[in-house]
Amino acid sequence: AQKVTQAQTEISVVEKEDVTLDCVYETRDTTYYLFWYKQPPSGELVFLIRRNSFDEQNEISGRYSWNFQKSTSSFNFTITASQVVDSAVYFCALSEAESNYQLIWGAGTKLIIKP
Amino acid sequence: NAGVTQTPKFQVLKTGQSMTLQCAQDMNHNSMYWYRQDPGMGLRLIYYSASEGTTDKGEVPNGYNVSRLNKREFSLRLESAAPSQTSVYFCASSAVAGGRGTDTQYFGPGTRLTVL
Repeated sequence: AQKVTQAQTEISVVEKEDVTLDCVYETRDTTYYLFWYKQPPSGELVFLIRRNSFDEQNEISGRYSWNFQKSTSSFNFTITASQVVDSAVYFCALSEAESNYQLIWGAGTKLIIKP
Repeated sequence: NAGVTQTPKFQVLKTGQSMTLQCAQDMNHNSMYWYRQDPGMGLRLIYYSASEGTTDKGEVPNGYNVSRLNKREFSLRLESAAPSQTSVYFCASSAVAGGRGTDTQYFGPGTRLTVL
């Protein structure tokens, strides 16, 4: 079974729409860490957020927000008022003790923002 | 402050050739990593170095060797390249020693390798 599932392979929206990227994870550990990274068309990987399992507060950074819900094992990412520059592949990743804290990556969601 | 740098950016090899991918970081980080990224997949860890002088296998180490030359540099070597090693290779580093994914990893720009 996949430990990090990003069920949305590709999402396409029109600029200024809000969009949510889903991430569902699986772990038996009580201490774990979750990450989101962005990979724009240029190819580099850009760190967006790191969250530990004890901090369930939602996070907002400008137009970006993250909703961490342990009850549903989800760590979803919302972009408000999307812009063309948000077009990228977004990866969710998990770090847990059972996997010796090596990063386990989801397959990524390709987000296309149309002008 | 360049962060994590990788050379070369692109490389084409013939089956059986060898090459070394170079990675350097200027953030005084203790841990360094090599990943590969294949189409439609997330990253997979090849090797990591939890601190200067140590290296450990990741998820997909076969066909690769690494050297942690010093605190700044971590190289990845393909001794006899195979078409299955066609991929994009990323180097990353993190501040904390131990090679733990608990700490944020910062990535280089990647090397696009094609093996014919």
